[in-house]
Amino acid sequence: DTGVSQNPRHKITKRGQNVTFRCDPISEHNRLYWYRQTLGQGPEFLTYFQNEAQLEKSRLLSDRFSAERPKGSFSTLEIQRTEQGDSAMYLCASSPTTDFSGNTIYFGEGSWLTVV
Amino acid sequence: KNQVEQSPQSLIILEGKNCTLQCNYTVSPFSNLRWYKQDTGRGPVSLTIMTFSENTKSNGRYTATLDADTKQSSLHITASQLSDSASYICVVSVLRAGNMLTFGGGTRLMVKP
Repeated sequence: DTGVSQNPRHKITKRGQNVTFRCDPISEHNRLYWYRQTLGQGPEFLTYFQNEAQLEKSRLLSDRFSAERPKGSFSTLEIQRTEQGDSAMYLCASSPTTDFSGNTIYFGEGSWLTVV
Repeated sequence: KNQVEQSPQSLIILEGKNCTLQCNYTVSPFSNLRWYKQDTGRGPVSLTIMTFSENTKSNGRYTATLDADTKQSSLHITASQLSDSASYICVVSVLRAGNMLTFGGGTRLMVKP
């Protein structure tokens, strides 16, 4: 396993279109996170899964955003009716579940979204 | 107000020189503090993780320190290389389920030849 995989790496879309990003976490990592990052800023939390259960969502995750992890493995993040303000890099991360401290959280390379 | 503040925002140094990046945090209850390196357009890569009982942690030329009393951490880079040019992000974990991570805004380091 080579790490957290995200695709597509880059997506350019017209305003109003829907886009979907996929994240394949490291095998057997129960926790999966989605973050959004804009240029010059640190990542901002969007949502978090423990296996297939979506346990927390940020207020940044408006009703146009939906994330799923149907079988507790890969996850998808869909953005409906995209707006220019959605342009950002969407980062996925995964980690083991055993305890709350000390586990390395591994990030994917991110999916860049540009809304024109 | 961000609960994890990093300074400086950006830094330019000459190859071979040392530098120190700072991180102050207010999040609680504190669990651990992580430093990540993020190359432009890439995902963050973990450098160090420290719990409240650890004062220092090294990873090659990177040495992180933590003072849990003053809620301050630093990342020292020794004998900088051109490949050290990146953003360095301080991330503090809290003792709760779910979203544990609070990210700083990062320090953008440029190493010049």
